Amino acid sequence: AQSVTQLDSQVPVFEEAPVELRCNYSSSVSVYLFWYVQYPNQGLQLLLKYLSGSTLVESINGFEAEFNKSQTSFHLRKPSVHISDTAEYFCAVSPLNTGTASKLTFGTGTRLQVTL
Amino acid sequence: EPEVTQTPSHQVTQMGQEVILRCVPISNHLYFYWYRQILGQKVEFLVSFYNNEISEKSEIFDDQFSVERPDGSNFTLKIRSTKLEDSAMYFCASSERQGWGYTFGSGTRLTVV
Repeated sequence: AQSVTQLDSQVPVFEEAPVELRCNYSSSVSVYLFWYVQYPNQGLQLLLKYLSGSTLVESINGFEAEFNKSQTSFHLRKPSVHISDTAEYFCAVSPLNTGTASKLTFGTGTRLQVTL
Repeated sequence: EPEVTQTPSHQVTQMGQEVILRCVPISNHLYFYWYRQILGQKVEFLVSFYNNEISEKSEIFDDQFSVERPDGSNFTLKIRSTKLEDSAMYFCASSERQGWGYTFGSGTRLTVV
């Protein structure tokens, strides 16, 4: 079984400031890692994912996340946030190679609130 | 870009009534899922479906719930007798590959009164 911990339920930040949203996971097997974003009254959108290879993955809108296997973490960072980044961010994992449909296990989410 | 389509976007139903939530997954995807999100809480897995049968279900997915892929395109979630605590946003998802590549629908907000 897998579990995901997002320690920060809310992160307030000023526009153009850097931000880090923390995610730690626990799993007895290897996992894929994801960050999803949910804007108000909308569905879940994939922000970025780690499947294999380089441990640093980037999204098209300036977010990046680094997989750290020893610390079982997948923190999300952005060097300069914008008002439009205000949203709920969910970290999620799914197990590799289960031989059938693999479920996503989500963290409790972090609300990023960007203000002027 | 291909989308997962969910209907309706909102549904209000009386306690004890049956509801069917509908989803049209991406056409070449093989794996299908339902998740739910109670207001203010995390997204929870309900059930996964592959090769015309349930692959895995959570403890939430009790006998009141069922899923079906009746015609090769639609994927439905039925709640037989709704309870107040079933009020949530229900998300359908599909994936082409096992374990990743999920695409989520925009959700159906179910309100049980």
